[in-house]
Amino acid sequence: QQQVKQSPQSLIVQKGGIPIINCAYENTAFDYFPWYQQFPGKGPALLIAIRPDVSEKKEGRFTISFNKSAKQFSLHIMDSQPGDSATYFCAASSGTYKYIFGTGTRLKVLA
Amino acid sequence: DADVTQTPRNRITKTGKRIMLECSQTKGHDRMYWYRQDPGLGLRLIYYSFDVKDINKGEISDGYSVSRQAQAKFSLSLESAIPNQTALYFCATSDPRGSGNTIYFGEGSWLTVV
Repeated sequence: QQQVKQSPQSLIVQKGGIPIINCAYENTAFDYFPWYQQFPGKGPALLIAIRPDVSEKKEGRFTISFNKSAKQFSLHIMDSQPGDSATYFCAASSGTYKYIFGTGTRLKVLA
Repeated sequence: DADVTQTPRNRITKTGKRIMLECSQTKGHDRMYWYRQDPGLGLRLIYYSFDVKDINKGEISDGYSVSRQAQAKFSLSLESAIPNQTALYFCATSDPRGSGNTIYFGEGSWLTVV
């Protein structure tokens, strides 16, 4: 019940494409769903996050879609750029406790 | 300067040796964490501390110990390192008073056990 399942493991898209990364959870107590972005040699950094009271959140070219009934959420990157090439982690947390992270998606955007 | 600083950034050690990874932060956060990153396994929590007197085991604490020396310092020890502890280790902090309990990661410590 504590797992967060993330797919795909890796993704290659052309510049301008819209990569989509999906995550699924089981624990309905989770109430905060962030996405972290990690560049090589760096620690993960918060990219965007959503709470279950909304179905979508946009920040710039990044959008989270949230489906509470299906217990799924996804990250969409509009007009992807080579600079978006990184590893992306979804996560879930309940209250202000600890995070459960997905296994990560390595994204490569081709120029 | 980084808000969450880890030392060393890279270390090669031999099986059976004791190794300590140190973390210091200037963010003023009470909560600190140690995570381990392995390819295909994501980030797994080793230990966490919500204040200086509070230490808690995470998902994969076996073979590790921690010490919270001060609000700003949290160290991770491998008492007798083994090869399957070869991984990238991250220290992190958070402040529950902030919006969303964002976790701030250090830049990582690569540990290789040979």
